[in-house]
Amino acid sequence: AQKVTQAQTEISVVEKEDVTLDCVYETRDTTYYLFWYKQPPSGELVFLIRRNSFDEQNEISGRYSWNFQKSTSSFNFTITASQVVDSAVYFCALSEERSSGDKLTFGTGTRLAVRP
Amino acid sequence: ETGVTQTPRHLVMGMTNKKSLKCEQHLGHNAMYWYKQSAKKPLELMFVYSLEERVENNSVPSRFSPECPNSSHLFLHLHTLQPEDSALYLCASSQGPGYEQFFGPGTRLTVL
Repeated sequence: AQKVTQAQTEISVVEKEDVTLDCVYETRDTTYYLFWYKQPPSGELVFLIRRNSFDEQNEISGRYSWNFQKSTSSFNFTITASQVVDSAVYFCALSEERSSGDKLTFGTGTRLAVRP
Repeated sequence: ETGVTQTPRHLVMGMTNKKSLKCEQHLGHNAMYWYKQSAKKPLELMFVYSLEERVENNSVPSRFSPECPNSSHLFLHLHTLQPEDSALYLCASSQGPGYEQFFGPGTRLTVL
């Protein structure tokens, strides 16, 4: 069965600090997809990134970067030089191609508070 | 309108009421989803529709009844709900399995 663990429930940082959000997943499939979503106080889940299991290249988008390591089943998310607008709940999610296709399994989320 | 829209944004209803939540996607996607988000619980998938056919019903009580009249619209009909059904209900759409899902702003439901 697929499972996503986000062990950090809450993180608080001061603006301009770097912060890494951890995500560990479990799956039996060889083909799967990993996602990160941001949920600001308004409630809408905002898509950030999708990565398939065959692409282990790290990705950088502005202040955001993602480190995908199959050896440790991790897909961690780093925000560089954090800003107050980054305050939100961040969710990691997994879908397995063979067994569940359309089903996204979410972690419990990490609440990030960035203080000015 | 762009993306995924949901109405109403807030809903308060009694346990004997009947109401419906509406979702509309303007992305040309083939799949639509209902999720429930309760406090201190992971997001729970409720229903999946692909090409207007229901492909997943994740053990949801029958007091929740989905309807997908076409690939752009999705409804969630509610009747005789319980207070524990109070939650944020999120609609999403995607191109299909394995693709990212795009979410609407949600309907905050309170059952009295």
